[in-house]
This record gives sequence, structure tokens and C-alpha cells, in this order.
Amino acid sequence: KAGVTQTPRYLIKTRGQQVTLSCSPISGHRSVSWYQQTPGQGLQFLFEYFSETQRNKGNFPGRFSGRQFSNSRSEMNVSTLELGDSALYLCASSLGLVGATDTQYFGPGTRLTVL
Amino acid sequence: AQTVTQSQPEMSVQEAETVTLSCTYDTSESDYYLFWYKQPPSRQMILVIRQEAYKQQNATENRFSVNFQKAAKSFSLKISDSQLGDAAMYFCAYRSATGNQFYFGTGTSLTVIP
Repeated sequence: KAGVTQTPRYLIKTRGQQVTLSCSPISGHRSVSWYQQTPGQGLQFLFEYFSETQRNKGNFPGRFSGRQFSNSRSEMNVSTLELGDSALYLCASSLGLVGATDTQYFGPGTRLTVL
Repeated sequence: AQTVTQSQPEMSVQEAETVTLSCTYDTSESDYYLFWYKQPPSRQMILVIRQEAYKQQNATENRFSVNFQKAAKSFSLKISDSQLGDAAMYFCAYRSATGNQFYFGTGTSLTVIP
């Protein structure tokens, strides 16, 4: 099976711009979660999508949004970029089963740099 | 919300030796899952080992094993016969049995000394 893929791998944007990141989960996985990783902060949970619906949401401002398509591919959008948004954005997919053993598998990440 | 604490930001170990990474978590739930993930310098996060809280037996995957102490809410990772390829950032993670959100610690950076 192909793993989780994320595009693009690297992005450079300027303050005020917006950006869209894409994540394709493992075939058969219906849950996609997004994380922001910065040095010292670890992985901060952004949101989780399951069957095209946002199921969980972290504590991020409304500038961060996402969606999931019927094929489980997910996109994350950040509007009005700020310098502090520079980070590695990781996507993880899983079966999305609640109350059962389930594991998240991560993509390689998108490195976003905001100038 | 559940919290996961990794109190060792950095650790080092001699090649072929054994090292233990610590993780504690805070939860009021009785059923949950715990994970250790490894993130090498290439940045691809991979699963190392998983433990179900209802299982008393500690999980083992080759050179990796855990010491799961449910009452103490402790979940440490032991790496035996350390290899250069074990050098990475290690993250401990918690997942409730009633939800799908994962909670991660801040990570421990492991250096393997040849």
C-alpha cells in the first residue's frame, strides 16, 4: 500500500498571503488529522476530518481551516499568513475507528516558511 | 484534555547499549491507547510500538519494549542494543478509546554515540 503523501513538500510565502496544503491518506483510511510542528512546541493538533466532516478541532484561530473530499483526500488552508505560521505541517491518516485499536500513519510533511 | 509529558528533551546512548525514554500522561479514562513514534532527521514520523491500556502485558517489537504502569500513568520506551539508525526524535502519544484525537508529548531527541 502506498503511504500518506503530502504536497507540496516545501512552500515559501509572504505575510498576508494564503496557502493550501494537500494530503492523500492511505487507501481505505477515512480519517485525516493535521498537526503543526514547531521546535519546542512539539505537535499541535489542528483538526481531524472523517468522512468529509470535521470531527475534532484543536485550539487554532479561524485562519486555519480544512476540508475533506469524498475520496478522503484532505486540504488544509491558512489565510492571512503570519510569521509564526512557519512550521512543518504533518498530516496523518487512520481508519478512524472509535473504540477500537487504530493507529495514525504520518506523511512526510510540508515545510512552510513565511517571510 | 489529556496531557502527555516527556520530561527528557534530550538523551544519549552508546551504540549497543540500552536506553529508556520516559513518558507520563494524565487522564481520567480507564480505556485508552498509547504509542511511541519515531521521527528521524528525514522527518517521516513512523510508529514504533503501541500499547492497549486493557492489556497488562507490555508490548514488545524486536529491540523496542515498553514498561506500562497504568496506576502510575507511566509509559516508558526501552531500546535495547541501540543502533545508529535509532537516532531520532521520539514522541509519546495518547489516544482515548472513545475518540480519535491523538495527544502528543513534546518529544525526546535521542543521540546514539558510536
